[in-house]
Amino acid sequence: KNQVEQSPQSLIILEGKNCTLQCNYTVSPFSNLRWYKQDTGRGPVSLTIMTFSENTKSNGRYTATLDADTKQSSLHITASQLSDSASYICVVSVRSGANNLFFGTGTRLTVIP
Amino acid sequence: KAGVTQTPRYLIKTRGQQVTLSCSPISGHRSVSWYQQTPGQGLQFLFEYFSETQRNKGNFPGRFSGRQFSNSRSEMNVSTLELGDSALYLCASSLAGSGGFETQYFGPGTRLLVL
Repeated sequence: KNQVEQSPQSLIILEGKNCTLQCNYTVSPFSNLRWYKQDTGRGPVSLTIMTFSENTKSNGRYTATLDADTKQSSLHITASQLSDSASYICVVSVRSGANNLFFGTGTRLTVIP
Repeated sequence: KAGVTQTPRYLIKTRGQQVTLSCSPISGHRSVSWYQQTPGQGLQFLFEYFSETQRNKGNFPGRFSGRQFSNSRSEMNVSTLELGDSALYLCASSLAGSGGFETQYFGPGTRLLVL
């Protein structure tokens, strides 16, 4: 069964600290993995997209890693800011077929001053 | 370039009623996908339209339907509303869709409350 699981469900950190969010998937055949940021009351916004051959990809203070062998990805946020408070959603797509996007339920990050 | 727009932003309906939500994609985008988002289930795929044709469909009952117009604008309809239909409904557009390597651009969503 194709699944995407994220951990932790929620996280509270102090401003300026780093944090790492996890995404494990059983989706096959794998095509790519994306991380989205969703602010409260708004639609998700794409942060990164990673293919099978990519291990690391950065977007400013966000760094995503992918281990296609263990089917794990992480999103590392450096020097967190209050504006990082949001839900982070991991999305994995398969190479073919209908309904080829599989969504995690997200990690709710709260950055406090 | 304007982003994806959705109307209305908020909606309150009662059980048994029907509702129509609208989505205008980014100019030039031909694929429009609809998602339901609830706190417990996260984002769930409803359906995708491309060039006025439904290309993919998720596991939702027939009460959920949609269509796409020649200008790529899309509407989603939910008939005989149930309490469990209360959710944020998100629309996303992309150039050609079908997952793959294209980035989907999401609208702000329509928050539907069924009483």
